[in-house]
Amino acid sequence: NAGVTQTPKFRVLKTGQSMTLLCAQDMNHEYMYWYRQDPGMGLRLIHYSVGEGTTAKGEVPDGYNVSRLKKQNFLLGLESAAPSQTSVYFCASTPGQGSHNEQFFGPGTRLTVL
Amino acid sequence: GENVEQHPSTLSVQEGDSAVIKCTYSDSASNYFPWYKQELGKRPQLIIDIRSNVGEKKDQRIAVTLNKTAKHFSLHITETQPEDSAVYFCAATLEGGSYIPTFGRGTSLIVHP
Repeated sequence: NAGVTQTPKFRVLKTGQSMTLLCAQDMNHEYMYWYRQDPGMGLRLIHYSVGEGTTAKGEVPDGYNVSRLKKQNFLLGLESAAPSQTSVYFCASTPGQGSHNEQFFGPGTRLTVL
Repeated sequence: GENVEQHPSTLSVQEGDSAVIKCTYSDSASNYFPWYKQELGKRPQLIIDIRSNVGEKKDQRIAVTLNKTAKHFSLHITETQPEDSAVYFCAATLEGGSYIPTFGRGTSLIVHP
């Protein structure tokens, strides 16, 4: 099993450009999440999904959109990138049932917006 | 919503000493409390967790304690080693409910050889 994977690993954008981050998991997990990590701020939830075809806003959703067309994939989009979106982005998944609900994280995407 | 406070933000110890990181939560309904370790440049990974029906759990040099009445839980690392140096995050979650964890802001543990 590959677990949770993310593409790309690094990206540099100019202000106003758009991009999509892809997260994929092969564990048949129902729940998927996008976080951003900034120094001293911990992990802040951007958007999440409780199953295929569903999405919901987290703590810091402004400037981001998401889609979950397939259960194994969760896409995070930036329509018009801003320097404030410079961050490390982590995707995570969890079964969402039973008693084993640790978060499985992807390797992260380091995004710089100039 | 849930609020998780984590202290200290930075902890510096000598190799072989013990380290304790504390977290408090606000929502008494939370019932699952994982701890994640994040090494520099890596992803967070679960190191230990505890559920609300248990007061203490131990795994070799690490242990977690939970006080439901006071709504706080702690990570204890004994006989620290340089490879324990990392950022540690606590979280509080409602299993069987939202499954949305609320994370603490993290503790940077530095173990000096």
